[in-house]
Amino acid sequence: GENVEQHPSTLSVQEGDSAVIKCTYSDSASNYFPWYKQELGKGPQLIIDIRSNVGEKKDQRIAVTLNKTAKHFSLHITETQPEDSAVYFCAASRDNYGQNFVFGPGTRLSVLP
Amino acid sequence: DAGITQSPRHKVTETGTPVTLRCHQTENHRYMYWYRQDPGHGLRLIHYSYGVKDTDKGEVSDGYSVSRSKTEDFLLTLESATSSQTSVYFCAISEPLGQSSGNTIYFGEGSWLTVV
Repeated sequence: GENVEQHPSTLSVQEGDSAVIKCTYSDSASNYFPWYKQELGKGPQLIIDIRSNVGEKKDQRIAVTLNKTAKHFSLHITETQPEDSAVYFCAASRDNYGQNFVFGPGTRLSVLP
Repeated sequence: DAGITQSPRHKVTETGTPVTLRCHQTENHRYMYWYRQDPGHGLRLIHYSYGVKDTDKGEVSDGYSVSRSKTEDFLLTLESATSSQTSVYFCAISEPLGQSSGNTIYFGEGSWLTVV
């Protein structure tokens, strides 16, 4: 079955710097890769996703890149702000239905003022 | 925020007792899910439902059962709670591909369960 690895497990950056979180997946048939942000005491919220027919997607300060050959995808956050501090989860799926998602273990991002 | 309400939000129970967690949605989404979240494991699927009275197992279903008698409600039951079921439980909902919600999976706020 699918296996998703995520690195690093913790990341600290200075406010204004960029943050990069990387995930690798094992199932070459996976074609949908969402990223979730989880703040303390709350449920995960989708922040961006990418499908296997594109290599990059941007939404303001957030971008995701996908390398299908190497089976890895990355989350890039530019101009980080304190409110970006949270736990970020990547996931991989053969479709967009939750029953087929495999989540990474998460990255705790701390943005230092 | 997606219209998902989980109850109870926090519960402490004793080993061997039954526990039921409730998920209520106001979005009329077809799919509903129960995940558990544990340190180092991310989110793992327990059970899911693809319609009223239609449910199936996820990757960590042992010791859990579910029921969905109405579109808006999805219940998760621990028949006899064990300490290994101490966790945070998240309900989630989604629509089939092509619907206006954009295929997003929305999560509830979580239910913290401690089994002592």
